[in-house]
Amino acid sequence: DAGVTQSPTHLIKTRGQHVTLRCSPISGHKSVSWYQQVLGQGPQFIFQYYEKEERGRGNFPDRFSARQFPNYSSELNVNALLLGDSALYLCASSFASGGYNEQFFGPGTRLTVL
Amino acid sequence: DQQVKQNSPSLSVQEGRISILNCDYTNSMFDYFLWYKKYPAEGPTFLISISSIKDKNEDGRFTVFLNKSAKHLSLHIVPSQPGDSAVYFCAASGVNTGGFKTIFGAGTRLFVKA
Repeated sequence: DAGVTQSPTHLIKTRGQHVTLRCSPISGHKSVSWYQQVLGQGPQFIFQYYEKEERGRGNFPDRFSARQFPNYSSELNVNALLLGDSALYLCASSFASGGYNEQFFGPGTRLTVL
Repeated sequence: DQQVKQNSPSLSVQEGRISILNCDYTNSMFDYFLWYKKYPAEGPTFLISISSIKDKNEDGRFTVFLNKSAKHLSLHIVPSQPGDSAVYFCAASGVNTGGFKTIFGAGTRLFVKA
């Protein structure tokens, strides 16, 4: 069975641009969470979606937004990119609303903002 | 603010001995705790979890202990094996007025020497 997939694997953008990251959860999983991980730190929670509704939001500015589609895949959008947005963006899926359930992580998208 | 802290950035243990990884949290909203293991170039993988209604959960060589009054949890690995060498993240989940959140610590890098 396929695990959590994320695309693209690597991305280079310049300041002020917009980026869209994509995630496909494990088949049967209805919850997707997004995390940002910078070097030397743990993953930082951005959003959780369950059944296409936002269930939780971390301390990120409104430049960050996300959505979940009827097939439970998800997109993370970041507007007006800053240098500090350079990080590994991780997507995690779980069958039920995550956090109280094991989350399965994808390999991440490495975003570099120049 | 760091709501979940892993104060030891690294730990070195001899093969066959016990590894003890520690984690402290500050927010009483957390009621579910998880440990994840991460190898280089991969997303974190779930290891073991514990609900706040328990003080111990065991799975093979891995045991997690929770001390709610001290807001402290620990992961014990016995016996440690070289394949256990990885970064270990502690995570805490809960719900507050902002919705659901999962907060990760910064991680502890475990080295198991053969």
